Amino acid sequence: DTGVSQNPRHKITKRGQNVTFRCDPISEHNRLYWYRQTLGQGPEFLTYFQNEAQLEKSRLLSDRFSAERPKGSFSTLEIQRTEQGDSAMYLCASSPTGQGALCEAFFGQGTRLTVV
Amino acid sequence: AQSVTQPDIHITVSEGASLELRCNYSYGATPYLFWYVQSPGQGLQLLLKYFSGDTLVQGIKGFEAEFKRSQSSFNLRKPSVHWSDAAEYFCAVVANHQAGTALIFGKGTTLSVSS
Repeated sequence: DTGVSQNPRHKITKRGQNVTFRCDPISEHNRLYWYRQTLGQGPEFLTYFQNEAQLEKSRLLSDRFSAERPKGSFSTLEIQRTEQGDSAMYLCASSPTGQGALCEAFFGQGTRLTVV
Repeated sequence: AQSVTQPDIHITVSEGASLELRCNYSYGATPYLFWYVQSPGQGLQLLLKYFSGDTLVQGIKGFEAEFKRSQSSFNLRKPSVHWSDAAEYFCAVVANHQAGTALIFGKGTTLSVSS
């Protein structure tokens, strides 16, 4: 399978715990995005990498959230001291570098986080 | 600020009937527009996109969309709906052309197909 892969698919955690999600983009894609989707809403942008550089972060990305893409390949998204409001689907997408926005973003199936 | 509005939260269409899902955008320049579909437990799949040129764009699965600048709309259409089209549909606009960055999504329209 050469699509965007996200692990785990589901995560249940207790409030206050830390969680980490992983995203493996399509191998030749330089750009990687994280989005969050809550019930009844469209995906909301969190952050964006070009290779290993984190170029943009949304105001939604509080201090408890951190994302990395150390070698410009896979990426991790960590949430520290989780809160019930963090319960959501976390989506990863990747796209090739090209004419800016002309490149289609391919989405993974997401990681569903439930904070209890 | 850029935004996308999908006025219909939920639509039910009979199988074989035609479909139109509405999308209105707010963007200062020529927008880059997309329609995605999300089935339960699945990731978002791109149906079609508009960047420039012909305002009627064809996509996968028999979908098409028409860009109307005067109405700030990019409505999705399909002439004959199949039961497998039941899913959630999202319209999106690119936040920044040059940087190729984030998509701004609408809240989505849930499509149900009745037999």
